[in-house]
Amino acid sequence: GAGVSQSPSNKVTEKGKDVELRCDPISGHTALYWYRQSLGQGLEFLIYFQGNSAPDKSGLPSDRFSAERTGGSVSTLTIQRTQQEDSAVYLCASSLGPGASSGNTIYFGEGSWLTVV
Amino acid sequence: SQQGEEDPQALSIQEGENATMNCSYKTSINNLQWYRQNSGRGLVHLILIRSNEREKHSGRLRVTLDTSKKSSSLLITASRAADTASYFCATDVRAAGNKLTFGGGTRVLVKP
Repeated sequence: GAGVSQSPSNKVTEKGKDVELRCDPISGHTALYWYRQSLGQGLEFLIYFQGNSAPDKSGLPSDRFSAERTGGSVSTLTIQRTQQEDSAVYLCASSLGPGASSGNTIYFGEGSWLTVV
Repeated sequence: SQQGEEDPQALSIQEGENATMNCSYKTSINNLQWYRQNSGRGLVHLILIRSNEREKHSGRLRVTLDTSKKSSSLLITASRAADTASYFCATDVRAAGNKLTFGGGTRVLVKP
């Protein structure tokens, strides 16, 4: 498709289980971001990938969170041993080129709503 | 507190009125962007203003930036019911690489 695609749209999981969230960025976009948004709150930065550079993982809240980007395209965000406080919308975004600093527009997907019960 | 903070947190206006919301930030930026979010899902980019710009327009949107006060405003003129959404400012902080830092947003309700 033409936009950033995320799956699943909604995921309900039991506390303690692992979950994987997938992001397909816009074709040709070298920068990819993951953000988290709790209900009624702003966006919290998680991780940033740019080309072949080492990712900026400074926003990952704990070692239960990890993300990969294979082949410079699709990214997977993995949350291990989920906790109830992990419940949120996880938003993926991509941009052409380095992203924010260069002034490139960042395009967001519709998000994956995670509920941990 | 956050790098970008919007004010007010919520705004309710009648269709046809103008809506103004403000964003304050703490550290030097390369640029500031405004986004709209409907129904708590994907964000839509509205406008980007660079640190050396003071004002930009896009349709019914007007954005100002005052780097001396570390603040920006978003004005929506002649609002419509379809403008009902949450609006976020996002700053690209010079010392923080390429990630955008978002504020908590302003929830705007435009009543028909």
